[in-house]
Amino acid sequence: SQTIHQWPATLVQPVGSPLSLECTVEGTSNPNLYWYRQAAGRGLQLLFYSIGIDQISSEVPQNLSASRPQDRQFILSSKKLLLSDSGFYLCAWSFNRDSPLHFGNGTRLTVT
Amino acid sequence: DQQVKQNSPSLSVQEGRISILNCDYTNSMFDYFLWYKKYPAEGPTFLISISSIKDKNEDGRFTVFLNKSAKHLSLHIVPSQPGDSAVYFCAARKGGGADGLTFGKGTHLIIQP
Repeated sequence: SQTIHQWPATLVQPVGSPLSLECTVEGTSNPNLYWYRQAAGRGLQLLFYSIGIDQISSEVPQNLSASRPQDRQFILSSKKLLLSDSGFYLCAWSFNRDSPLHFGNGTRLTVT
Repeated sequence: DQQVKQNSPSLSVQEGRISILNCDYTNSMFDYFLWYKKYPAEGPTFLISISSIKDKNEDGRFTVFLNKSAKHLSLHIVPSQPGDSAVYFCAARKGGGADGLTFGKGTHLIIQP
């Protein structure tokens, strides 16, 4: 069966510091990978998706970037965090675009 | 522009009764709809989905209904159980378009004993 691992679970970072959140998927090859963010009182917003290694699409212009250095690894980064980057970040995978997304347990990021 | 709308932030239902969660969408390009359940501090869990070529899909206690002409879908849970208390998200995917799902803001379902 497939599993998705996302870490860390919680993170407190000062404004201006860098960010690196990591996500890995096990039990499948060439999954579609996604990064979502849930800000307080809002729905889930798609940030990035990837259909293959080094194939990243950005949905919303922002202070963040994503990379996929390996088939089942997806990384969310920032060079300098802003207060508005606080939120709940979720990584997800799917077999393809026609199948449901399966989410990790998320990272609660607080920028102070 | 909110393309997927869940107009009820919360819903309270007595245990054993039917829970009905509603969702409206505005984009006629959506062709695949899903419901997710989320507990605090966890990621959403996929519950049930429906393709735009169908008007009903059933899985155990969960049934999703789709009314394309009204751009409306609903999730029925019967009978409701205490473990069903969670936030439920409606999501939709555009046919032939970019990957990823568009989510509503969620409805907090509370099952009362």
